Amino acid sequence: EAGVTQFPSHSVIEKGQTVTLRCDPISGHDNLYWYRRVMGKEIKFLLHFVKESKQDESGMPNNRFLAERTGGTYSTLKVQPAELEDSGVYFCASSPQGALGTEAFFGQGTRLTVV
Amino acid sequence: QKEVEQNSGPLSVPEGAIASLNCTYSDRGSQSFFWYRQYSGKSPELIMFIYSNGDKEDGRFTAQLNKASQYVSLLIRDSQPSDSATYLCAVSGGFKTIFGAGTRLFVKA
Repeated sequence: EAGVTQFPSHSVIEKGQTVTLRCDPISGHDNLYWYRRVMGKEIKFLLHFVKESKQDESGMPNNRFLAERTGGTYSTLKVQPAELEDSGVYFCASSPQGALGTEAFFGQGTRLTVV
Repeated sequence: QKEVEQNSGPLSVPEGAIASLNCTYSDRGSQSFFWYRQYSGKSPELIMFIYSNGDKEDGRFTAQLNKASQYVSLLIRDSQPSDSATYLCAVSGGFKTIFGAGTRLFVKA
């Protein structure tokens, strides 16, 4: 069974450009989470989808970040325009339950570097 | 005050020793507690979870939870060099899970 997959694994973009990250959760997992880890800091919650609906987006840093989950399957996280402080590793996780419980799975992450 | 606090380390222990990792949290309403292990350049992987006060053992790992003290720990017995990684404490009170910054563990052969 395929796990949570994220694409791309690494992205280097210039300040002001747009980047779109993609996450494919495990099939059948209604819950999808985005997290971000900036170098030297803890993993920070960004938002949570239940199917196609945003359950909680309180962690989104600002309106330059837009997450979507059309049809309740894969999700995209767009950063437009990217700033230097957006650099970090963006993780996606999925779970069939409400909280990240015993069946939580993380993707490998997308390392975003804004130069 | 951070919501979930961990000593960043590094914590260095000799092979075969017990490694003790600690975590405190601020939200008294937290219900679920998790320990993730993350190797450099890899994604976090869940190794232990605990919901009730007391100890929970799984192989070489023991999670300890004290809700009154808002404290959760992870003990790794007979530490191996392959246990060297960053250990993330995560706390959940519902739909949102908050992570600590992680503790780096080095097990010396």
